[in-house]
This record gives sequence, structure tokens and C-alpha cells, in this order.
Amino acid sequence: GEDVEQSLFLSVREGDSSVINCTYTDSSSTYLYWYKQEPGAGLQLLTYIFSNMDMKQDQRLTVLLNKKDKHLSLRIADTQTGDSAIYFCAETLLYSSASKIIFGSGTRLSIRP
Amino acid sequence: DGGITQSPKYLFRKEGQNVTLSCEQNLNHDAMYWYRQDPGQGLRLIYYSQIVNDFQKGDIAEGYSVSREKKESFPLTVTSAQKNPTAFYLCASSMIQGAAYEQYFGPGTRLTVT
Repeated sequence: GEDVEQSLFLSVREGDSSVINCTYTDSSSTYLYWYKQEPGAGLQLLTYIFSNMDMKQDQRLTVLLNKKDKHLSLRIADTQTGDSAIYFCAETLLYSSASKIIFGSGTRLSIRP
Repeated sequence: DGGITQSPKYLFRKEGQNVTLSCEQNLNHDAMYWYRQDPGQGLRLIYYSQIVNDFQKGDIAEGYSVSREKKESFPLTVTSAQKNPTAFYLCASSMIQGAAYEQYFGPGTRLTVT
């Protein structure tokens, strides 16, 4: 089945690290993504990881992938107020020549002073 | 500047009227998509198109229609048959052949039907 699950809310103190978790069900996923959505806007791709990788780091962002447990996480170091947004986990499924992206419900990250 | 544009940003309609949402991209992308977003829910795929003059239903196509007469344009019509049309609608595009099938999103159109 196709399903991507995330917790709906996360609150962290400014300057701390944020860790947003995601689980997916389809083991045939090829790429897994993290998108960011600011209020009233579209989604912006933050980073992605290929399914044969365990980790990817990009400045303050670290993505960890545990294929055995079908678990993906996004760590934001030194969280700032500008990181307040909804973060969507997504996976790509390939069907012959077509592809389909399945999105989670999004985690709303709020920052406390 | 390359990107995806959606217009208008806010749209109000009376119940029983059809309404068409615009989506244009100048990224030369082959594939285009329409999603619906409701509060506390993820994106749900309405329709997608991988090539001009061809499109496929997504998970929630009932009450919607699309056309893809040009590569750059993928308008979505919300018909009076859609039972709960009030939502935030997002259009996206991607290359079919690409490193990660990254989808680029437009800014969205918030449709309110009363």
C-alpha cells in the first residue's frame, strides 16, 4: 500500500535542533523528499535522498534514511524563526514509465523564543 | 525568471458554478500536476499529465476536469459536481526524465465556494 505518515505538530526552542520524523510503507520507493511550505504558499523542495543512501547532509539539514524500518527523518540544526513552516515528507513510486509522488500530511514546526 | 504561476491567488464562487483555475509554467517541464490541500491533511492528487493532449486521473478526480492543449498550461476546472470544493489548490510540474523527479510548485489558489 501507499502511505506516508508524519506527526502533525512539533515545537522547539530557537537555537535547538528540530527532528521531524516520517514513516512510509512502500519498499519500492526510489526517492524520498522533504518539502517546506510557508503560510499561504506552495511547496518548496528542501532536500531529497535516493533510496540506496543512508544519510545526506546539506548545511543545517541532515536527512537520515533507515530502509529496514522505512523511516525517514529531517534534522534542522540551530533552528531559527524562519524555519517555522509545515514540512512534508514524500516518496516517489515508479509505475513502469510513470512516477507518482505520495505526500505525508505535513508536520507543522513552531519555534519558541 | 522560470517558474510556475497560478492565478488568481484567491477565488470566490457561488455554489453551483463551475470555476477554472489557471496554471502556467515556463520550465519546459513535460509533466504537470494538480493537488488539493485541506487543513491538517497532506496533498491529494487530482489529475496529472505527462504529455500534451494526455492526462490521467489522480486519487480524487471526481468533480474536476483538466485539459493539456499546450505544454506550458494545465488548467483545472472545478465543476458543480464537486461536493466540497473549498480548498487550497496547488499546481506542480516536473521533468519526466530527471535525477529525482523533483516537483516545482506554484504559489497556490485558495478557492472559497459559498
